[in-house]
Amino acid sequence: DVKVTQSSRYLVKRTGEKVFLECVQDMDHENMFWYRQDPGLGLRLIYFSYDVKMKEKGDIPEGYSVSREKKERFSLILESASTNQTSMYLCASSFLLVSLGQFFGPGTRLTVL
Amino acid sequence: QKEVEQNSGPLSVPEGAIASLNCTYSDRGSQSFFWYRQYSGKSPELIMFIYSNGDKEDGRFTAQLNKASQYVSLLIRDSQPSDSATYLCAVINAGGTSYGKLTFGQGTILTVHP
Repeated sequence: DVKVTQSSRYLVKRTGEKVFLECVQDMDHENMFWYRQDPGLGLRLIYFSYDVKMKEKGDIPEGYSVSREKKERFSLILESASTNQTSMYLCASSFLLVSLGQFFGPGTRLTVL
Repeated sequence: QKEVEQNSGPLSVPEGAIASLNCTYSDRGSQSFFWYRQYSGKSPELIMFIYSNGDKEDGRFTAQLNKASQYVSLLIRDSQPSDSATYLCAVINAGGTSYGKLTFGQGTILTVHP
């Protein structure tokens, strides 16, 4: 079974802090994704990566950056956290970009005070 | 117009009935179609994918795709209370700037009552 893990289930940070969310997958998947999910707005893609050191902006990249130094690890960085970044953050990975589905980690619920 | 539209529900069906969940999409270049199930407080779980027109069955689940009508559906036979969840339709486009991006609908809340 595909296993995608995220570093924290719950996280509370203060406005202006730098926040790191980490995601690790154990299936040698090429592609990794970061989403946020908010009530009424659904799942929105922040960034994705189709190879080590490669990254592509999703639909809402503003205020975020990412890092992929190793194939199995994809990090989401909030350079200066703001209250409007309070959300559920979901990491996903996939083997093929367009054919097979994406597999999600358990999510990190981030609260920015 | 939203790219992927679902009836938000809630859809309520009795135990043992067939639940029918529908999804329409706007991009004719869409290539792959997915159904995810999401329990409250949990992350989405992939349950079905379909690429070709017609039906695809997996246990109690059947996905149906009609590309001409830009319509994809999920049927759940013999619905159980454990099927109560939000069902997300997702679509991938294989071309242009949207290549590889999975676009989700808002989800349909399904409640199966005993």
